[in-house]
Amino acid sequence: SQQGEEDPQALSIQEGENATMNCSYKTSINNLQWYRQNSGRGLVHLILIRSNEREKHSGRLRVTLDTSKKSSSLLITASRAADTASYFCATDAPEYGNKLVFGAGTILRVKS
Amino acid sequence: EAGVVQSPRYKIIEKKQPVAFWCNPISGHNTLYWYLQNLGQGPELLIRYENEEAVDDSQLPKDRFSAERLKGVDSTLKIQPAELGDSAVYLCASSLDRRTGELFFGEGSRLTVL
Repeated sequence: SQQGEEDPQALSIQEGENATMNCSYKTSINNLQWYRQNSGRGLVHLILIRSNEREKHSGRLRVTLDTSKKSSSLLITASRAADTASYFCATDAPEYGNKLVFGAGTILRVKS
Repeated sequence: EAGVVQSPRYKIIEKKQPVAFWCNPISGHNTLYWYLQNLGQGPELLIRYENEEAVDDSQLPKDRFSAERLKGVDSTLKIQPAELGDSAVYLCASSLDRRTGELFFGEGSRLTVL
C-alpha cells in the first residue's frame, strides 16, 4: 500500500456543510502537504504542515497533524460548490528520499 | 507572474509512435519535476531536476522515457516508442528549491495512446 492514503475515497455533502478528509502515512515525515485538483486541471497547493506542528489554518481550511498516529486531517468549513475537487495529501519523508509522495486522493462533491 | 506552462495539453498518438512534452517552469524556480498521473490516482514522480542536474530519476522507465533540462530552465519529456499503458496525464511542477516544499503544477499534458 502507499505511503499516504486518504479516507474516504469519495465524499458528497451539501453546500454549507463541513467536509473532513483524512490521510494516514507509514513513516516519519519532514512535512505533510495538501493539494486540490479540479477536474482536468493541475494540482494547487493548499497547506504545508511541518512535523513539529499540530494545527494550521488558512481561510476556511484547517489541517491537523498527529505524528504519533501518523495521520492528518483536512477540514473545509462552510463548503461551497466551488470546493468540488479531488484532494490529495503528500508526504515529504526521509525514507522515501525526501521527495513528495502523493496518496490516491479524496473526491469531494459539494451539492448546491 | 506566469505559472508553470505545459504543452501540448492533449495528444493522441498510435502505439509505437514517439511523443514529447514541454514544460516552462516559474521563473527563478531551480527545481523541476515531472509526474505521471493515472486516472483516479495521485501523481507519481518520474524525475526531479535541480537546475540542469537530474537528481532523482529512479522511477523513470529509461528504456523508453527520456528527459532533459537544458540551461536549467525549460524541460522536455520524451517517450519513444509509446505503449498503450502510457496513456495518462503528465504533470510538470516547479519549486523555488527543494527545501521550500510547495510545488507549483502546470495544467498537465493528457496523452492517449491508441
